[in-house]
Amino acid sequence: DQQVKQNSPSLSVQEGRISILNCDYTNSMFDYFLWYKKYPAEGPTFLISISSIKDKNEDGRFTVFLNKSAKHLSLHIVPSQPGDSAVYFCAARVLGADGLTFGKGTHLIIQP
Amino acid sequence: EAQVTQNPRYLITVTGKKLTVTCSQNMNHEYMSWYRQDPGLGLRQIYYSMNVEVTDKGDVPEGYKVSRKEKRNFPLILESPSPNQTSLYFCASSSRALGGYTFGSGTRLTVV
Repeated sequence: DQQVKQNSPSLSVQEGRISILNCDYTNSMFDYFLWYKKYPAEGPTFLISISSIKDKNEDGRFTVFLNKSAKHLSLHIVPSQPGDSAVYFCAARVLGADGLTFGKGTHLIIQP
Repeated sequence: EAQVTQNPRYLITVTGKKLTVTCSQNMNHEYMSWYRQDPGLGLRQIYYSMNVEVTDKGDVPEGYKVSRKEKRNFPLILESPSPNQTSLYFCASSSRALGGYTFGSGTRLTVV
């Protein structure tokens, strides 16, 4: 059973517009959520995270929103830039544990 | 520079020939983990280690072994590789104080 779901394998957005990547989870014990970005031939790199005590965290062009009641989080990128083209993984962690559970990823393509 | 180093980056081997992929981190992290990435399946955890001499199975441990004799090293061992182990492998480490993982650059393994 997949505990972290990214239902969109790919997403195409025009440069300058907003990119919204979605992630749903089923395990109510998750209390820390992260987004990773991955370019081809490189390892994933940490992008932004959010604790379950918050509903929003912002870092420059990147904002993560958490809706605990819906078990849903989203990553907003505004404005989208060509360098944002990558695979984005949503990940979640249980409080006090070290393991991360990853979604399958969404391939974001920024169109010029 | 804080990093996770994996070797080799690329490896082609034949079925049944034992191999080891090395992983080393210089951040004094307690936690280390191995993931494999396959198309449409995202990142799946193979094994993890919460500290020296403490290892445990992840979601897809079959066909793999690990060891954690020193804090900085966490090698992945394939005793008898098979073609279904052809994949992109990532090592990662984290400190319990931090939010997420630092990933290595990946090892692309092909078993023929």
